[in-house]
Amino acid sequence: GAGVSQSPSNKVTEKGKDVELRCDPISGHTALYWYRQRLGQGLEFLIYFQGNSAPDKSGLPSDRFSAERTGESVSTLTIQRTQQEDSAVYLCASSSVLGRGRQETQYFGPGTRLLVL
Amino acid sequence: AQKITQTQPGMFVQEKEAVTLDCTYDTSDQSYGLFWYKQPSSGEMIFLIYQGSYDEQNATEGRYSLNFQKARKSANLVISASQLGDSAMYFCAIPNYGQNFVFGPGTRLSVLP
Repeated sequence: GAGVSQSPSNKVTEKGKDVELRCDPISGHTALYWYRQRLGQGLEFLIYFQGNSAPDKSGLPSDRFSAERTGESVSTLTIQRTQQEDSAVYLCASSSVLGRGRQETQYFGPGTRLLVL
Repeated sequence: AQKITQTQPGMFVQEKEAVTLDCTYDTSDQSYGLFWYKQPSSGEMIFLIYQGSYDEQNATEGRYSLNFQKARKSANLVISASQLGDSAMYFCAIPNYGQNFVFGPGTRLSVLP
């Protein structure tokens, strides 16, 4: 079946502009996650959704970042007034359940490479 | 809070040889899982192998196996018969239950011909 998809694959924007990053999870996966990965570094957790709800938004770096999920499917990560430090790869993942065991395995999309000039 | 330590920033291995990538973790949970992911230069995170804390046997998936030592809180990844395509970053991860995964800093593996 289809895996996690993300769009756009690459995005170049000017400082101060808003950007929207999209994630389509694996069909039927109830949990969805966003991570940020700066060049040469590990994964930084941003936010997760259980269904359409995001119980904990404390991982978002600033109030310029927001995310939503609709129909227990597509999610959008929005960055307002982008800054150069926002340049990174934004990875989305989904899992069939939010819980314990192998079913919680997260499957990742290819990422969106964001460059803020 | 969960924590993952990967002490090897970089590793080299000769093609066809085996290599062990270290992972130690810290958790207060009694039941938990450990995950390993591979990230090639293309950037995608690829799930490799899962180990449950109460699994009686070490996990294996093809050329990947885990040397899981629960008392020492370590879950080292063993790659047998290394191939050039195994050159990548490798991340160990543990769930922060009800939320996200906590990833280690990763180990860059280079397979030499």
